[in-house]
Amino acid sequence: NAGVTQTPKFQVLKTGQSMTLQCAQDMNHEYMSWYRQDPGMGLRLIHYSVGAGITDQGEVPNGYNVSRSTTEDFPLRLLSAAPSQTSVYFCASSYSTWTANSPLHFGNGTRLTVT
Amino acid sequence: AQSVTQLGSHVSVSEGALVLLRCNYSSSVPPYLFWYVQYPNQGLQLLLKYTSAATLVKGINGFEAEFKKSETSFHLTKPSAHMSDAAEYFCAATSGYALNFGKGTSLLVTP
Repeated sequence: NAGVTQTPKFQVLKTGQSMTLQCAQDMNHEYMSWYRQDPGMGLRLIHYSVGAGITDQGEVPNGYNVSRSTTEDFPLRLLSAAPSQTSVYFCASSYSTWTANSPLHFGNGTRLTVT
Repeated sequence: AQSVTQLGSHVSVSEGALVLLRCNYSSSVPPYLFWYVQYPNQGLQLLLKYTSAATLVKGINGFEAEFKKSETSFHLTKPSAHMSDAAEYFCAATSGYALNFGKGTSLLVTP
């Protein structure tokens, strides 16, 4: 089982560049989300989606855009990268849109450095 | 939103000793609570979850956690630490669509 696949694993950007972090899951999960992990800060929710065509903001959405055109894919877009966006990004999905009912399945992360 | 506080960013135990990782939540309504583990260069994996069915929850790898409403706590324990338990542990809480994580506790196990 592939589970949750994130690409790329590593990325270096210059300030002002744009890029898209890809996330795909093959478990037919309705719920998908993006977190960023920073030392001493734990994981903070950026955006989430409870189904195709439905997205909402999390705790730290500024500087990031998302869309959900299919159940399988949930890309995260950085329109103009800033050094403050240097982080490890995790995509996670779950069967139920009610996160209490089913555990999150995490990808292995994308390590992004913005210089 | 549910708030989660993990006491101690680093915990060190000897192999074979008791593991105790602390988590407190902030809510007037008990949320759904989780413990996740993260091994180096990997994503998070679910250890266990509390959903009000039982206050003592058993998880994988010998871990368990006890929900105490009076203390608003959900501490994670394991009777005997193993070297392979060295990892980062996250407590998380939700009452809806957003799972909120604590800042994590890094567990070091020494021989």
